[in-house]
Amino acid sequence: EAQVTQNPRYLITVTGKKLTVTCSQNMNHEYMSWYRQDPGLGLRQIYYSMNVEVTDKGDVPEGYKVSRKEKRNFPLILESPSPNQTSLYFCASSFGLTNTGELFFGEGSRLTVL
Amino acid sequence: DQQVKQNSPSLSVQEGRISILNCDYTNSMFDYFLWYKKYPAEGPTFLISISSIKDKNEDGRFTVFLNKSAKHLSLHIVPSQPGDSAVYFCAASAYGGATNKLIFGTGTLLAVQP
Repeated sequence: EAQVTQNPRYLITVTGKKLTVTCSQNMNHEYMSWYRQDPGLGLRQIYYSMNVEVTDKGDVPEGYKVSRKEKRNFPLILESPSPNQTSLYFCASSFGLTNTGELFFGEGSRLTVL
Repeated sequence: DQQVKQNSPSLSVQEGRISILNCDYTNSMFDYFLWYKKYPAEGPTFLISISSIKDKNEDGRFTVFLNKSAKHLSLHIVPSQPGDSAVYFCAASAYGGATNKLIFGTGTLLAVQP
């Protein structure tokens, strides 16, 4: 089954404790990205990657890191989480920079930083 | 500044009636628009899109209308079904449908009552 898989789905952590949210896709997609969803703000892009070893900042990259060492994986790293990073996070992928705007999203990871 | 706005956080409609979800945008450079649908505990899924060279696009029960002069698009669902109950996000891009440049709205929760 074609899918984007995120882990963990739910996480409660404390300020400053490094964490990684993994994302893996099995559709051989070149393009991957991370979004956060917050009430009243919709979905905002954090980082994206157009291919292996190619990453770029989205609209809200502060406090996050990413890496793209393999085509299928695109982990999101919070080196020192803060309460304002409490959010619902989505990983997404597509075939390159498609001109259809169609992204395939994972099921989301709800993160709470205390 | 929110470039894509969905001013109605929620909408309730009777089964069988028409649902109209609205979206306004401020950037006149946007040339491609999409709607995504999101069920609870799932990621958003692509629903329908429209290029700025068109003013209407139809896919089964779903029709998207674009009014460029008013910077307004709407999604019509006819007839509405209980399974349509979800959060609907509109998105826009100034680069065709390039997936790294999508700007999402804040979402509208549609509840279709049996």
